[in-house]
Amino acid sequence: GQQLNQSPQSMFIQEGEDVSMNCTSSSIFNTWLWYKQDPGEGPVLLIALYKAGELTSNGRLTAQFGITRKDSFLNISASIPSDVGIYFCAGQDRNTDKLIFGTGTRLQVFP
Amino acid sequence: GAGVSQSPSNKVTEKGKDVELRCDPISGHTALYWYRQSLGQGLEFLIYFQGNSAPDKSGLPSDRFSAERTGGSVSTLTIQRTQQEDSAVYLCASSLRSGRTAQNEQFFGPGTRLTVL
Repeated sequence: GQQLNQSPQSMFIQEGEDVSMNCTSSSIFNTWLWYKQDPGEGPVLLIALYKAGELTSNGRLTAQFGITRKDSFLNISASIPSDVGIYFCAGQDRNTDKLIFGTGTRLQVFP
Repeated sequence: GAGVSQSPSNKVTEKGKDVELRCDPISGHTALYWYRQSLGQGLEFLIYFQGNSAPDKSGLPSDRFSAERTGGSVSTLTIQRTQQEDSAVYLCASSLRSGRTAQNEQFFGPGTRLTVL
């Protein structure tokens, strides 16, 4: 199945550091989403982006919807241990709302 | 205020056997989605239900896979003659799909981990 290109694949950082990850697609999406998945759980929505060029924040998280509608990035500032998990971007199909997911970024935060 | 639930949480089966995976969406959610997550991979779309009909089955990997939804609520994903490559976590999500973008958030269940020996 189709998957979006997400990088980096994994990150090992120290508590307090900032993190940045991005996602690219060959297709245009009208909605970009960022999810976090903890072990043994389903993904949980972090941020939704609905407009090209939009920059949206949710606490320490900031995400942007690329102007071409083919990319997005997520920044996490001042990381804390509970940020550990796998982060996925997703583009949303405009007709069915089905999600096309990125390959994921595994984040490890060391105290 | 229960979320999306799935059963069983784990299923181990022998190659060639049939399995049924169940999803109970959030009450009142009209849209239901099945995704598959292979080890260390992202999620891949399988099938989408709006009510009891499935307008998009494009992600089902073969004719061994089928799904149904009854009463606009519970959905069952069936895999016939399972193969080892079917081993994955199968996730279900539901949404209001009211036509208002902000209400179309998909809420995911915890998944069923399927292992085919």
